[in-house]
Amino acid sequence: DAGITQSPRHKVTETGTPVTLRCHQTENHRYMYWYRQDPGHGLRLIHYSYGVKDTDKGEVSDGYSVSRSKTEDFLLTLESATSSQTSVYFCAIRKPSGTTDTQYFGPGTRLTVL
Amino acid sequence: LAKTTQPISMDSYEGQEVNITCSHNNIATNDYITWYQQFPSQGPRFIIQGYKTKVTNEVASLFIPADRKSSTLSLPRVSLSDTAVYYCLVGEGNSGYSTLTFGKGTMLLVSP
Repeated sequence: DAGITQSPRHKVTETGTPVTLRCHQTENHRYMYWYRQDPGHGLRLIHYSYGVKDTDKGEVSDGYSVSRSKTEDFLLTLESATSSQTSVYFCAIRKPSGTTDTQYFGPGTRLTVL
Repeated sequence: LAKTTQPISMDSYEGQEVNITCSHNNIATNDYITWYQQFPSQGPRFIIQGYKTKVTNEVASLFIPADRKSSTLSLPRVSLSDTAVYYCLVGEGNSGYSTLTFGKGTMLLVSP
C-alpha cells in the first residue's frame, strides 16, 4: 500500500465544465505525477511535481493544469472539459525502492465527459 | 528515456512458468529496468526492478544479460490471477525517473 488516494473515483460531467481531480498521499514524498490511460495508448504523463509549487508538463499537458500547495496533495484541473478528456486518470508518487526509486500508483479516477 | 519493445500478448496455462522478454537496445549506463503489472480498472503495480544480472523477489525474477539490451521477467507457476498487462520500462533509477514512458505492454492470459 503506497498510501495514495484519489478522489473522486468516478465522475460524469458535461462538456465545458471545470473539473478538479485530487491525489492525496500520506507519506510526504517529493515527486507526484498525473497520467491518463486510454485504450491503445497505454499510460501517458500529463503533469508532474517535484515539490510544493514546483510542477512541469508531461507528454499530454494541453487542456490540463495542476497545483501543489502542500506536499500531500496534487490537484489536476480540466478548466473546460472536452469529450477527448474522457479517460482514466492515475496519480503516482515516487519513492525509494531498494537502492533506487520507483513510482507507485493510485487506484485511478474514471472521468466521463458528455 | 530508452524505448522498449515487448510482445503484445502471451498465453499460458495455470502452473506453467512464463517468461516475458523486453528489448531495450539503447539503454543508457544509468538506466534501471522496471516491470509493472496492471489489472483492469486498477493502477499499475510495481513488480520488480534491476540493473544487471538477476533479481528475485517473492513475486518474480528478472534476468538481465551482460549487455543489458534486453531483460526477461519470469513468473513461476502462474495462476489465473496473474492474467494482466505487464509493462517494461527503463530509466534512471535514483536520480532521474522524473518521467516514465509506458508502452502498450504485454497482455498475459492464463487459462485453466
